[in-house]
Amino acid sequence: ETGVTQSPTHLIKTRGQQVTLRCSSQSGHNTVSWYQQALGQGPQFIFQYYREEENGRGNFPPRFSGLQFPNYSSELNVNALELDDSALYLCASSRVGDYYGYTFGSGTRLTVV
Amino acid sequence: GESVGLHLPTLSVQEGDNSIINCAYSNSASDYFIWYKQESGKGPQFIIDIRSNMDKRQGQRVTVLLNKTVKHLSLQIAATQPGDSAVYFCAETDNDYKLSFGAGTTVTVRA
Repeated sequence: ETGVTQSPTHLIKTRGQQVTLRCSSQSGHNTVSWYQQALGQGPQFIFQYYREEENGRGNFPPRFSGLQFPNYSSELNVNALELDDSALYLCASSRVGDYYGYTFGSGTRLTVV
Repeated sequence: GESVGLHLPTLSVQEGDNSIINCAYSNSASDYFIWYKQESGKGPQFIIDIRSNMDKRQGQRVTVLLNKTVKHLSLQIAATQPGDSAVYFCAETDNDYKLSFGAGTTVTVRA
C-alpha cells in the first residue's frame, strides 16, 4: 500500500507567478485535503475535494484553487504568488469522514522571493 | 475566532522520563480530537485520537486525556525515547472535512 506522495518536494517562485503542486492519494482513499503550514505554526486548512468537487474551504482567497481527478489525485494551484505564500503545503487523503485514516504526505516546500 | 492552542511551545525531557504535552481548545462543538507527531521534513503522523464522549484513551506508550469542562487536552508519553523528539500538534474537528491545528510543541529528548 503506497502512502500519499507530493511533488515537487521543493520549489522557488517569484512574486506574482503561478504555481501548481501535485498530490497522489493513498490507495483506497477518495478525498484529498490541502493544508498550508507556515514556519513554526500548525497546518491551516485550505480546502478538501471529494468526487472531484470542493467539499469545504478554509479562510483562503480565491487565488488558491484546486482540482481532483478521477483517480483521486489532486492539484493545488496558487495564482499571483505573494511572499506570505511561502510555506510547506501538505496534502492529506482519506475516505470521506474518516479522520482515523487521514494520511499526510511529506509536503512541498514553496519559497516565494 | 475559534482555535486550538498548546500551552508551551517547547518541552525538554530526560530520556526515560514521562512527557506531558498540553493543549487548550475553544470550539465547544468539537467532537473529535487527534494528536499528531511531525518530524523534520515529514508530514504530520497520527498518534492517537479521542472522541468527545470519552475522557481517556490509551495506546502504546501514549495516553490522551480530555477534559471538556475546561476544554483541555493532554498527551502523555511514557518512558520518552530519543525517537520521540519531534513537534506535537493537537487537532480538533466538528465536521467531516476540516481539521483545526494548534501551533505545536517541540519536544526535545535529552540523553
